[in-house]
Amino acid sequence: NAGVTQTPKFRILKIGQSMTLQCTQDMNHNYMYWYRQDPGMGLKLIYYSVGAGITDKGEVPNGYNVSRSTTEDFPLRLELAAPSQTSVYFCASRRTGSNQPQHFGDGTRLSIL
Amino acid sequence: QQPVQSPQAVILREGEDAVINCSSSKALYSVHWYRQKHGEAPVFLMILLKGGEQKGHEKISASFNEKKQQSSLYLTASQLSYSGTYFCGTDYNNNDMRFGAGTRLTVKP
Repeated sequence: NAGVTQTPKFRILKIGQSMTLQCTQDMNHNYMYWYRQDPGMGLKLIYYSVGAGITDKGEVPNGYNVSRSTTEDFPLRLELAAPSQTSVYFCASRRTGSNQPQHFGDGTRLSIL
Repeated sequence: QQPVQSPQAVILREGEDAVINCSSSKALYSVHWYRQKHGEAPVFLMILLKGGEQKGHEKISASFNEKKQQSSLYLTASQLSYSGTYFCGTDYNNNDMRFGAGTRLTVKP
């Protein structure tokens, strides 16, 4: 079982560049999430989705975009990379239901220089 | 709104106990607890739903006080493997999840 797979694992970007962080899950989970975690800090919710075609903003959506065209995939797009977006990005998914845990991917470590 | 965790950090000797608290100013739907080791992804520990239930996972248990909108994580007879950062996640509407800033737990021999 692959679970939640994130690619790439590491990336260095220059200011102003754009990129897409990929997230895919093979558990048929409806709910998917994107978080960022700055060094020594907690997880901040960027965007989430409750199903294909439905996305919503979290706490820190500025500078990011998402789409959810399939149940499996939930890519995160950075359009104009800024140094403040240097962070570790985690994707997570879970089944429908309030008693369902989130399953996290291994994270993408992104540095913007 | 993010939940508030306390304390920010705890240092224990093996075998000692610890309590980590998680408070919210809004009514909670559920509380999730996760542990994260350095450089790794968070790993699920347990979920508590409305109703004041208590759950256990080996020597780690938790409670949820709905009236106080507070959850507590209890670690008894701590082991070296318990070291890591503990996060509570609060679910206000069964959709999005907000995490606390974390409690860094260090267990020393």
